Amino acid sequence: GAVVSQHPSWVICKSGTSVKIECRSLDFQATTMFWYRQFPKQSLMLMATSNEGSKATYEQGVEKDKFLINHASLTLSTLTVTSAHPEDSSFYICSARVRSGTYEQYFGPGTRLTVT
Amino acid sequence: GEDVEQSLFLSVREGDSSVINCTYTDSSSTYLYWYKQEPGAGLQLLTYIFSNMDMKQDQRLTVLLNKKDKHLSLRIADTQTGDSAIYFCAVLDNYGQNFVFGPGTRLSVLP
Repeated sequence: GAVVSQHPSWVICKSGTSVKIECRSLDFQATTMFWYRQFPKQSLMLMATSNEGSKATYEQGVEKDKFLINHASLTLSTLTVTSAHPEDSSFYICSARVRSGTYEQYFGPGTRLTVT
Repeated sequence: GEDVEQSLFLSVREGDSSVINCTYTDSSSTYLYWYKQEPGAGLQLLTYIFSNMDMKQDQRLTVLLNKKDKHLSLRIADTQTGDSAIYFCAVLDNYGQNFVFGPGTRLSVLP
């Protein structure tokens, strides 16, 4: 089946620093990639949608200057959390949609970010 | 917008069948999905159904769709301890762009 990888799987950083999370579709090309945030025992909250080569579309309430998304190719998207604060600590999950029109969407294993 | 609801908890005994229910509000939803999330992991796509189907079966999994009542269910036959996880129902919104997730149902399988 389709595989989406994320790197790193977990990261601890100090307040004020920036963290980059990579999301790759390993065996397929993705028309669209999505970034979600999940708080403990809660469902996924969509942060932004990105299409290759164009600017990401952010959901209401998500700061685009804080969560920078770059979708460089059909297999790679990155999320950079800039000037991280403890409230940014969360589980970040990326997802990629198969470029086939069947709307199959696969999720990465997630990245746990802890800001101290 | 679309609203997706699920019961939050379900406990079953090993070997029994599990039925996880989901309701949604937008009747124009075209694709409906079930995902499984184990602790500390991402989401695993279990199955999905197109809105013109009533039922889809894949090994131990059976998905039933009642489009009139906007009700989706996932039945897991012969439930095993490895099936313990959170199961998310997701619906593709009527723009065909974004998923709307339910809150997730935590399935506990008792020995």
